[in-house]
Amino acid sequence: GAVVSQHPSWVICKSGTSVKIECRSLDFQATTMFWYRQFPKQSLMLMATSNEGSKATYEQGVEKDKFLINHASLTLSTLTVTSAHPEDSSFYICSARTYSGNTIYFGEGSWLTVV
Amino acid sequence: QKEVEQDPGPLSVPEGAIVSLNCTYSNSAFQYFMWYRQYSRKGPELLMYTYSSGNKEDGRFTAQVDKSSKYISLFIRDSQPSDSATYLCAMSVDAGGTSYGKLTFGQGTILTVHP
Repeated sequence: GAVVSQHPSWVICKSGTSVKIECRSLDFQATTMFWYRQFPKQSLMLMATSNEGSKATYEQGVEKDKFLINHASLTLSTLTVTSAHPEDSSFYICSARTYSGNTIYFGEGSWLTVV
Repeated sequence: QKEVEQDPGPLSVPEGAIVSLNCTYSNSAFQYFMWYRQYSRKGPELLMYTYSSGNKEDGRFTAQVDKSSKYISLFIRDSQPSDSATYLCAMSVDAGGTSYGKLTFGQGTILTVHP
C-alpha cells in the first residue's frame, strides 16, 4: 500500500479561491518533504523543500506567497495554492524522505483544476 | 539547455522486445541516478537507483551509468504490455546529505508495449 498519502486526489476550485493539498507519511516520520508540480506531458519540477518545524525553501521562480507550505508535524506537510488561477491547474506531487534519509517515497499526486 | 535531457518518445515496441531508454545530463555534480515509472495520473514509482558508473541489474531491468559521458540508460528485457507507462530519469547532486531527495527529472519517455 501507499506509504505517502495525498489528499485530495482531485480538486476543482474557482479562480481566486485558495485550495489546500495535504501530504502525509504513513508509518514513518518524514523530517523533509518535497513538493513538485507537473504540467501535462512535462516532467516533474521541484517547487520547494519542506522541513518540519522551519520555513520551506523555494526553488527559483516559485512564488512563496502564492504557494504556502506548512510542515507542522513529522508526518504532515500542506501546500496551499492561494488566489488560484487557471494557469495554476496542474498535477501536484509530494515526496517524503525517511527520517534516516535513505529512502524517498512519492505520493499519488493531486490534480488541481482552476476554473 | 536543460540540466537533464530525455527523449519524450513516444516509443512503441512489440511484446518481448528489449527497450532502451536514455538520458543525458550537463551537471557533473549529479552523483545519484534513478529511474521512475509513472502510470497515467499517478505518482512516480521508483524502479532503479545507482550512484556509480557501470551496470546494475534487477530482474528484467538494467540501469547503466556512464559518468564520463554524462549518460544514463535503462534497459527493459522481455517487455510486457504492463510495462506501458512513462519512464522518468531523475538525478540528485547529493547522495545522502541534507539535500537528498531534491531530484531533477528528465521529461519522461512514453512507452507502449503492444501484444
